[in-house]
Amino acid sequence: GAGVSQSPSNKVTEKGKDVELRCDPISGHTALYWYRQSLGQGLEFLIYFQGNSAPDKSGLPSDRFSAERTGGSVSTLTIQRTQQEDSAVYLCASSSEEGLYQNTEAFFGQGTRLTVV
Amino acid sequence: GEDVEQSLFLSVREGDSSVINCTYTDSSSTYLYWYKQEPGAGLQLLTYIFSNMDMKQDQRLTVLLNKKDKHLSLRIADTQTGDSAIYFCAESGNFGNEKLTFGTGTRLTIIP
Repeated sequence: GAGVSQSPSNKVTEKGKDVELRCDPISGHTALYWYRQSLGQGLEFLIYFQGNSAPDKSGLPSDRFSAERTGGSVSTLTIQRTQQEDSAVYLCASSSEEGLYQNTEAFFGQGTRLTVV
Repeated sequence: GEDVEQSLFLSVREGDSSVINCTYTDSSSTYLYWYKQEPGAGLQLLTYIFSNMDMKQDQRLTVLLNKKDKHLSLRIADTQTGDSAIYFCAESGNFGNEKLTFGTGTRLTIIP
């Protein structure tokens, strides 16, 4: 597709269940980022991929959070044993090979709104 | 670690100029960005400035950077109703630390 695609757009889950959020970056973009936006908060960095490896996963809030990227393309963010504080909009972005250092624009998806009840 | 701060709200009359301010702490920031988020939409890059510049103008947008004070501002001239959105300041560091660190966002409301 033309832009970054995320699915599902909305997810309601029960506390304690696992969820998987998917991100399809723009074709050819090697850098991929996950951010979390909680109500009234800024964007919280979660993890950054360059290709299939994650040189910076410092933002993952706990070991319940994990992410992988396969084939240098699709990425999945998994949250195990969800808690109510995990409720947020999860945003994915991708940028081209040079990364932000070369000021290549990061393109954002529409996000997945996760609600844990 | 990096920290980026913004005021949460700004109200401006239609036709006036809007000035959105941002402060950051990472002195090694290479690029500084302004993103716009409209209701129900993803983030859209508005403009950016390289850290060795102090001003950049792009149509109605003017970015001012005071590197000494680590202060960034976005001025929108002749503010229109379509400018209503949340504006995020962001910074990225040196090569090898490409992640974007965002501020909390400033919600701009236009008063008719």
